[in-house]
Amino acid sequence: SYVLTQSPSVSVAPGQTATIACGGDKIGSKSLHWYRQRPGQAPELVVYDDNDRPSGISDRFSGSNSENTATLTISGVEVGDEADYYCHVWDSRSNHVFGGGTKVTVL
Amino acid sequence: EVKLVESGGGLVQPGRSLRLSCAASGFTFDDFGMHWVRQVPGKGLEWVAGINWGGGNIDYADSVKGRFTISRDNAKHSLYLQMNSLRGDDTAFYYCAKDKAAANIGAFDSWGQGALVTVSS
Repeated sequence: SYVLTQSPSVSVAPGQTATIACGGDKIGSKSLHWYRQRPGQAPELVVYDDNDRPSGISDRFSGSNSENTATLTISGVEVGDEADYYCHVWDSRSNHVFGGGTKVTVL
Repeated sequence: EVKLVESGGGLVQPGRSLRLSCAASGFTFDDFGMHWVRQVPGKGLEWVAGINWGGGNIDYADSVKGRFTISRDNAKHSLYLQMNSLRGDDTAFYYCAKDKAAANIGAFDSWGQGALVTVSS
């Protein structure tokens, strides 16, 4: 089955840039989506199809996807960005797959 | 505004059944695929099942195949998850999620607030 691997945690100071990685075999050939989940809330789509943003999502969020690694970048990190972030792909054999999640802590 | 509201969660004994419902509003329901995603408290997300716009294409996670059934009623703007032979490891928050496309292979662009299902004797 297809597996997406994320680091458990990332810490970043306010105003700096957070980089969240998602690894998978030939992930660059798939459409990659990112979700933010704040404590006690439902997940929310922040990036879809590698680097598109839904309406209402800040342009501080951007994505890239190449070869075996996809990346979500949050520039100018704010306290409100503290959350768990999950990557997600659809795979023809494994169907929908989520990464294990990365907890972003703003120092 | 898209709104998804789950209902039907609760405490159920192992081996019993439960049916979740998701009431959708704010968009043309029969234009989009729909999904159920679950999350054990404190853990990550797990996709459970998906259905395309018309109900003709349905898929399940291996962990629920043969026990759970996803369905939709486009006239009632509703999504359902029939859960049979429930086990302790089915205990989780269950989220209803809308696909960005008519098929059920895209991003999930709207989510409900979740319904807690607890399987315990």
